[in-house]
Amino acid sequence: GQQLNQSPQSMFIQEGEDVSMNCTSSSIFNTWLWYKQEPGEGPVLLIALYKAGELTSNGRLTAQFGITRKDSFLNISASIPSDVGIYFCAGQPQGGSEKLVFGKGTKLTVNP
Amino acid sequence: GAGVSQSPRYKVAKRGQDVALRCDPISGHVSLFWYQQALGQGPEFLTYFQNEAQLDKSGLPSDRFFAERPEGSVSTLKIQRTQQEDSAVYLCASSLVWGGATEAFFGQGTRLTVV
Repeated sequence: GQQLNQSPQSMFIQEGEDVSMNCTSSSIFNTWLWYKQEPGEGPVLLIALYKAGELTSNGRLTAQFGITRKDSFLNISASIPSDVGIYFCAGQPQGGSEKLVFGKGTKLTVNP
Repeated sequence: GAGVSQSPRYKVAKRGQDVALRCDPISGHVSLFWYQQALGQGPEFLTYFQNEAQLDKSGLPSDRFFAERPEGSVSTLKIQRTQQEDSAVYLCASSLVWGGATEAFFGQGTRLTVV
């Protein structure tokens, strides 16, 4: 089946540092999404990307939809303690499917 | 409530027991999705409803899994004869628009532990 390779698996950073994570796939996706999940909660959508090459920001977060439609990255600038959580990429495959395929997540720890 | 509500939040089942997990979507949302999230993994798609119609059940892992949404609102995910590998968080999401997988809001999930 379709899989997303998300890296890194975990990151330990100091407050104020910038963070970058990415996702790649062997198949094309129509839409790329980035979610954050905190313990005991469901994923919360951070950024949605609908067009190849699109670069979108949401506050300190910036994400891009790769030109090949097979990859995406998420950057977080000037990290703060509340950025702690697990970040997931997700893609909507071609073909009109309404299912999302998720990566395995990047666990972010921010040291104050 | 304002968000997607799932109950129970936690369920412990003995192996072989049947369980039913409930999802109350946001009022007026026509699309509803179920995902399974194993420990340390990302969510995996199970099934999708448009109103009361189950349009995609390709992610259901076996015929022990059954989902319904008879009146196009509340949905129930039923697992028969639970096995240890069914232990996971079951997430429900709903969307206002037809399709709308990319605009869905997730509930907090039900954590199922099979012992």
